[in-house]
Amino acid sequence: GQSLEQPSEVTAVEGAIVQINCTYQTSGFYGLSWYQQHDGGAPTFLSYNALDGLEETGRFSSFLSRSDSYGYLLLQELQMKDSASYFCAVAYQAGTALIFGKGTTLSVSS
Amino acid sequence: NAGVTQTPKFRVLKTGQSMTLLCAQDMNHEYMYWYRQDPGMGLRLIHYSVGEGTTAKGEVPDGYNVSRLKKQNFLLGLESAAPSQTSVYFCASRATDGTDTQYFGPGTRLTVL
Repeated sequence: GQSLEQPSEVTAVEGAIVQINCTYQTSGFYGLSWYQQHDGGAPTFLSYNALDGLEETGRFSSFLSRSDSYGYLLLQELQMKDSASYFCAVAYQAGTALIFGKGTTLSVSS
Repeated sequence: NAGVTQTPKFRVLKTGQSMTLLCAQDMNHEYMYWYRQDPGMGLRLIHYSVGEGTTAKGEVPDGYNVSRLKKQNFLLGLESAAPSQTSVYFCASRATDGTDTQYFGPGTRLTVL
């Protein structure tokens, strides 16, 4: 079966750096994705890693280690608007569908 | 370009009633998905479609049916609603360009009494 583990909550202050970890177990691996969801809103795509290493998009970076079945999302220069839930997801069913982790709620305080 | 739209936005049903949720996308995407989201459970895949006329089961398909008669539309049906189906339902679509990006609709908040 497929499973993903990520922390349920993380707290940080404005301007800080936070790392949200994700470990996964899948039969077949097609990539690790990250999505952001603000309270009451739709999830929005943040990043995708198919290969080992770091992908950077502005203040957000995502890392993947396929040998460790592990990835993380790194958020730098935190802002209040970054308070949201963050989900890691892995593709399965030959890459056609995603299974999501239960999400990490990030609370940024001033 | 509206992206992914869902109707209705809210609905209250009584146990045993039926309803259909409509998802539409104008991005010419092949893949479409229906998820449900419950507190503390993340997003769970109900059914999905890899193209017009095709459907497949996801993680939690029981009690739901789907149809993809047109490429731009993906319908989710509840034949006999149960209180356990109270949830927020999200539709998503995805292009087959290798980016794995899914685009989500705004969601439908369903309550079954």
